[in-house]
Amino acid sequence: ETGVTQTPRHLVMGMTNKKSLKCEQHLGHNAMYWYKQSAKKPLELMFVYNFKEQTENNSVPSRFSPECPNSSHLFLHLHTLQPEDSALYLCASSQDNRDTYEQYFGPGTRLTVT
Amino acid sequence: AQSVAQPEDQVNVAEGNPLTVKCTYSVSGNPYLFWYVQYPNRGLQFLLKYITGDNLVKGSYGFEAEFNKSQTSFHLKKPSALVSDSALYFCAVRGSGGYNKLIFGAGTRLAVHP
Repeated sequence: ETGVTQTPRHLVMGMTNKKSLKCEQHLGHNAMYWYKQSAKKPLELMFVYNFKEQTENNSVPSRFSPECPNSSHLFLHLHTLQPEDSALYLCASSQDNRDTYEQYFGPGTRLTVT
Repeated sequence: AQSVAQPEDQVNVAEGNPLTVKCTYSVSGNPYLFWYVQYPNRGLQFLLKYITGDNLVKGSYGFEAEFNKSQTSFHLKKPSALVSDSALYFCAVRGSGGYNKLIFGAGTRLAVHP
């Protein structure tokens, strides 16, 4: 898992806090993704960035704000979250070309909202 | 619309026996199919993919998957299961659009008993 790293690995925050999740990929990829993984639910795609441009926002509430300053880094800024936002947040990256399609995932940030 | 179904929430198998984890898909056009594995408190790890070519695809850790176009299936298989194979397995299909968006199934928990 050194290809895609995520920090912090665990985060506990109150509903009024502001925090950020960080993702860094060391694979030279040009696309990055945020997913939410909740218990007993399919993986939910939240945001997609291609070449630093956001290309998809899957109706994610505005209390989640992504930022992609360059192709290697992706952030997820969190503010005024709700308890139901507690989940594992996964970052992934891929190389967007005709020959490779698989995404590579980081270890995730386990978020608990109290 | 593209979709993936994993009909079994859990699969139980004895160590040394063959295992199968089922996946069916629905896509328009040629399917690009993937299998991922997730161990506890870890991100998803890429196992194998089918893009084109032979219907039997070999991947990491001795896993293979068989693409069956007429049955729209892409079942994951291993000839001899190990206790260490116990994990959560996800099937995915590449979604529409010009980038590598993946649509994941709900996951199947594999339990290999000694």
